[in-house]
Amino acid sequence: GAGVSQSPSNKVTEKGKDVELRCDPISGHTALYWYRQSLGQGLEFLIYFQGNSAPDKSGLPSDRFSAERTGGSVSTLTIQRTQQEDSAVYLCASSLQVAGSYEQYFGPGTRLTVT
Amino acid sequence: GENVEQHPSTLSVQEGDSAVIKCTYSDSASNYFPWYKQELGKRPQLIIDIRSNVGEKKDQRIAVTLNKTAKHFSLHITETQPEDSAVYFCAASPPNNDMRFGAGTRLTVKP
Repeated sequence: GAGVSQSPSNKVTEKGKDVELRCDPISGHTALYWYRQSLGQGLEFLIYFQGNSAPDKSGLPSDRFSAERTGGSVSTLTIQRTQQEDSAVYLCASSLQVAGSYEQYFGPGTRLTVT
Repeated sequence: GENVEQHPSTLSVQEGDSAVIKCTYSDSASNYFPWYKQELGKRPQLIIDIRSNVGEKKDQRIAVTLNKTAKHFSLHITETQPEDSAVYFCAASPPNNDMRFGAGTRLTVKP
């Protein structure tokens, strides 16, 4: 079946502009995660959605970052007033989270470049 | 929340040698410990995982051990091959599945 998809695959934006990154999780997966990965670095946790529970936003680096998940499926990560330090690959992952199935399936990522 | 530390950050071994990567976690309630492999330019993919009711798990050349008392777990790769070269991430997840990853280990296997 289809895996996790993200769009756009690449985004170049000017400093100060807002951007929206989209994640389509695997159908039926109740959990969705966003991570940021700078070049050669690790997976920086941003936000975690699980079903109808309040999301864990503890990883969002500033109030310029926000995310929502509509209808328990598609998620959008919004970065307002982008800065050069926001340049990174933004990865989304989804997980089924029933007994015995907690693997996170990652999307291909969106490479964001802020000029 | 959970905090995971991973060592070493880089590891270079000769082909055929073993590689060991170690992680510690902070939340004693964590009960799921996966390992992901990320090849250059690709997305992370699960290679092995272990749950807290198991002390060791093997899958061909890779194995993971877990010490719940000490709150640490390790990845062991035997008979390393050049295609094992990648970045490896450990992770720990409490029952609410709010998983956190370690900072990663860049493994280089020299032919």
